[in-house]
Parts: sequence; structure tokens; C-alpha cells
Amino acid sequence: EDKVVQSPLSLVVHEGDTVTLNCSYEVTNFRSLLWYKQEKKAPTFLFMLTSSGIEKKSGRLSSILDKKELFSILNITATQTGDSAVYLCAVATSGNTPLVFGKGTRLSVIA
Amino acid sequence: NAGVTQTPKFRVLKTGQSMTLLCAQDMNHEYMYWYRQDPGMGLRLIHYSVGEGTTAKGEVPDGYNVSRLKKQNFLLGLESAAPSQTSVYFCASSVPWGSSYNSPLHFGNGTRLTVT
Repeated sequence: EDKVVQSPLSLVVHEGDTVTLNCSYEVTNFRSLLWYKQEKKAPTFLFMLTSSGIEKKSGRLSSILDKKELFSILNITATQTGDSAVYLCAVATSGNTPLVFGKGTRLSVIA
Repeated sequence: NAGVTQTPKFRVLKTGQSMTLLCAQDMNHEYMYWYRQDPGMGLRLIHYSVGEGTTAKGEVPDGYNVSRLKKQNFLLGLESAAPSQTSVYFCASSVPWGSSYNSPLHFGNGTRLTVT
């Protein structure tokens, strides 16, 4: 059975801290790994990673994939209160099956 | 361009009542999905559809039915609501999985359902 595990499940940090969120996976026929940010409503897409070692960046957020060790990390530097959200990791396979989601990491950034 | 629209936004039902949640997308996506989200459980797939007239079961399909009569709409039905179905329901759509690497899901804003 395909599985995606995120850690930690929740995290509280102070503004300005740097955080690292983890996502490990065990799936058949890996195709890509996706990160989403969910504030109060719909999850919004952050990154899609398909190749090992290539860092994706968007402002203070960056992510990297390790296909050998089967994990990805999402880094957020100089955190702000607006970064408070649930961060979801999902894996796409090349089989005829939908995305497999992890349970998410709830990040709280306090002033 | 509205993307994915869900109606209603909120609903309270009594045990045993029925209701239908409507999802509409204007991106001409082939694939559509219904998820439920509960605290600590992440997003769990209820049913999905890979095209008009086709549906398939996801991880947690019991107690729900779906229909995809038109490409742009995906309906989720609860025939006899139970308190365990209290949740936030998200609809999503995407292009076919094999068509492109750039095929993230596009989500609606959710429906908060409470069953008393």
C-alpha cells in the first residue's frame, strides 16, 4: 500500500526562525512529489518535484527531493506569522491512481 | 475564471437526512475528486472520476455516492447522514495524471458539514 508520512505533525516557532518540514514516502512507481499550503480554506499548490537534488525555490520557501532515500524537505527561512498553515505533502505515481497525501504538518508562527 | 466552486459552504444535517454537495469546475479538467478532511487525518479520498460518466472508489467511500453526468460537475451524495460524516469536504480537479508533470490538483474552498 502506498504511504506518505509527514513529520512533525505540528510545530510552533517564533517569527524569524527557520523551519524544516519532512515528508517520506513508500510508493510504487514514483512520478512526482507535491507540496501544498493550506490556510483556512483550499490547499494551494507550492512545488512539484520530480528529480533528485534539484532545489525548487519561491521566496523564503525551498524544497528538495531525495529519490534514493525517498524523502523530501520543505524549508521556510525567516518565518512570518503569515506562514502559519498546514503543509501537505502528496505523491503522484505513474500508475492509474490518484495522489497519495500525508496527514500534514501544522505550523504555527508566533510573534 | 472561477476555478473550482463548491456549494454549499456550510450545512447542518440531522442524522438520517440526505443531501448533495455540488462541485463545478471551469478549467475543462478531465479528472475530479472528492476528499474529506478531519483533524489529524489529512485529506482522504472518497471517490473520484476520470471522465464524464465514470466514477471510482477512493480510500473512504462508504456512506457516499457520486455522479459525473457532465464533465464540469461532480456531485457527492449522502443518502443517510451519520455523525461520523461530520467533516470538511473538498472537491478538486486536474488534468489526466499521465498527460503532464505539471498537473497539481486545483481545490475548491470546501464545505463544512455537521451531522447532529
